Parts: sequence; structure tokens; C-alpha cells
Amino acid sequence: EAGVAQSPRYKIIEKRQSVAFWCNPISGHATLYWYQQILGQGPKLLIQFQNNGVVDDSQLPKDRFSAERLKGVDSTLKIQPAKLEDSAVYLCASSLATQWGTEAFFGQGTRLTVV
Amino acid sequence: GIQVEQSPPDLILQEGANSTLRCNFSDSVNNLQWFHQNPWGQLINLFYIPSGTKQNGRLSATTVATERYSLLYISSSQTTDSGVYFCAVNNQGGKLIFGQGTELSVKP
Repeated sequence: EAGVAQSPRYKIIEKRQSVAFWCNPISGHATLYWYQQILGQGPKLLIQFQNNGVVDDSQLPKDRFSAERLKGVDSTLKIQPAKLEDSAVYLCASSLATQWGTEAFFGQGTRLTVV
Repeated sequence: GIQVEQSPPDLILQEGANSTLRCNFSDSVNNLQWFHQNPWGQLINLFYIPSGTKQNGRLSATTVATERYSLLYISSSQTTDSGVYFCAVNNQGGKLIFGQGTELSVKP
């Protein structure tokens, strides 16, 4: 069974530029998560989707970050404009369902450096 | 919201030693997972253990949901066990919340 796929693996951009990350979850997984992990810290949830609806985006900086999950499968996370403090690893995860807390699986992440 | 605390924050072991990592959480949970983050940053699933005890080779985990803690045991540690170990929990809302991790370094 294929795992969670993310691209790109690495990205370097200048501040005030825009960037987009892509995630393809495990087939059949209804729940998709985007996390931000700053060096030395635990992952922090940015947004959680259930199919194509948003369950939780309370930690998403909506003035610069946006995410969508069209058709309830693939998802894209965008940052526009980027700031230096956005340098982090962006992790995508998926799980079968939300309500009963099923096991989540993570992709390899995208390492973003903003200079 | 629910709080997750891991201890110790750092641990240095000699190869072959045993260790116990702890995860405390502040509220009832539906799910608890242990992950190992490898040097390349990927989170590897170790255990999905909302309650009870599981074993996988040299690793085992125990969750006592009523007392709101989980333990990860590593026996006969190897240098490849080095990395950061995370505990993550979710409650009825499904939001998966991580602790700050335990950074393990196993010396040859």
C-alpha cells in the first residue's frame, strides 16, 4: 500500500515570495492533516480536513496561509507572502476517520527555507 | 485544549542499555501514537496504543488511559535508535496533538 506522498521535498524561497506544497494521502483516508514543525519543536497542527471539509483551522495564519482539498483527495497548502519565521518542515498526514481517532500516517515532509 | 508532556527531553545512552520514555496527557483520549522521527525528518509509526500493552521487537509500549500516561520501552538500544521520539494523542475532535519529543542519542 502506497504511503502519504508529498512534494517537493525541499524548497528555498526569498521572503515575500509565494510557495505551494502538495499532498496525496493514503487511498481511502478521509482525514488529512497539515502540520508545521519548527526545528527543535513538536509538529503543530495547521489544518485538518474531513473529506473536502475543514474540521479545524484554528492554528492556520489565515492572512498568509491557505489550504484546499478539492474532491476530498489531494491537498495543497500555500503560503503567500512568506516570512522568515515560516522556515520549517511541513508535514502532511492522513487517517481513515476522525471521530474515533484512528491511526495517522505521515509523509516525508517538505523542508522550507525562507531567506 | 489537551496538553501532552514528554519526559525526559533528552537522553544519552550507551549501546545495549535500556530506556523508558514517558508521555503524560491532560484529558481522556481516543488515540495515542508513538513515532520515531528519523534524521531525515520523517515520522515513523511505532505504536498505535490507546490502551494496553504492545510489543514490537525490542520496543514495547504501555498506555494506562485511566491515569493518563503512556510509556515507551526501548531494550538493548542500538545506534540506529537515535532520533526524536514523539507521543501524539487525539480526543473526540480528532485533532492529533504532539508532545515536544524526547531526543535520544545512543553512543557506540
